[in-house]
Amino acid sequence: AQKITQTQPGMFVQEKEAVTLDCTYDTSDPSYGLFWYKQPSSGEMIFLIYQGSYDQQNATEGRYSLNFQKARKSANLVISASQLGDSAMYFCAMREQWRGGSNYKLTFGKGTLLTVNP
Amino acid sequence: SQTIHQWPATLVQPVGSPLSLECTVEGTSNPNLYWYRQAAGRGLQLLFYSVGIGQISSEVPQNLSASRPQDRQFILSSKKLLLSDSGFYLCAWSGPGSPGGPLHFGNGTRLTVT
Repeated sequence: AQKITQTQPGMFVQEKEAVTLDCTYDTSDPSYGLFWYKQPSSGEMIFLIYQGSYDQQNATEGRYSLNFQKARKSANLVISASQLGDSAMYFCAMREQWRGGSNYKLTFGKGTLLTVNP
Repeated sequence: SQTIHQWPATLVQPVGSPLSLECTVEGTSNPNLYWYRQAAGRGLQLLFYSVGIGQISSEVPQNLSASRPQDRQFILSSKKLLLSDSGFYLCAWSGPGSPGGPLHFGNGTRLTVT
């Protein structure tokens, strides 16, 4: 069963507008972490923002914020004031326990391709 | 500051040939190390994970293997490549301990098996 779902294969936004990229997750672990990564066409994976399952407030990092709705199991990324350089693939990921003990891994969604139009 | 180096950036290899991809991390000790693969237009799949020298866990059984001969060196290998091994391979590290914080990725190796 897919644990991270990104339902938007592609999104378009006008420069300087805000955009929300959707992410829902599935886990029975009470302790987990949610991440967003950006992958430009060059291929590198750039860490953007992190939200812990026990964090009371939504995470923010500059123009990025994470709209965390725990009951709905959603962790949407909001990019404010979009820039042309924001055009990239965006991946939502969840840290989950792996093979018991203290092993953890990141499970990624399939990504959303964001295109910022001038 | 911590940096991660991964090479080569691109590689074209014939079916049946061996493979060796190398990844090194600087500026940290005892990192958790990972190998992920990304097929064209898809998300990332975890291949191998290491918490220390000689300690390797495999996520997906296949003809690939990994080794960690030194604390900050992680190597992905194959004795005989298959066409299905083509993809974008990413090495990553996270801080020591558990759960270790976010993963930080190298620039990746684009492998084409012909």
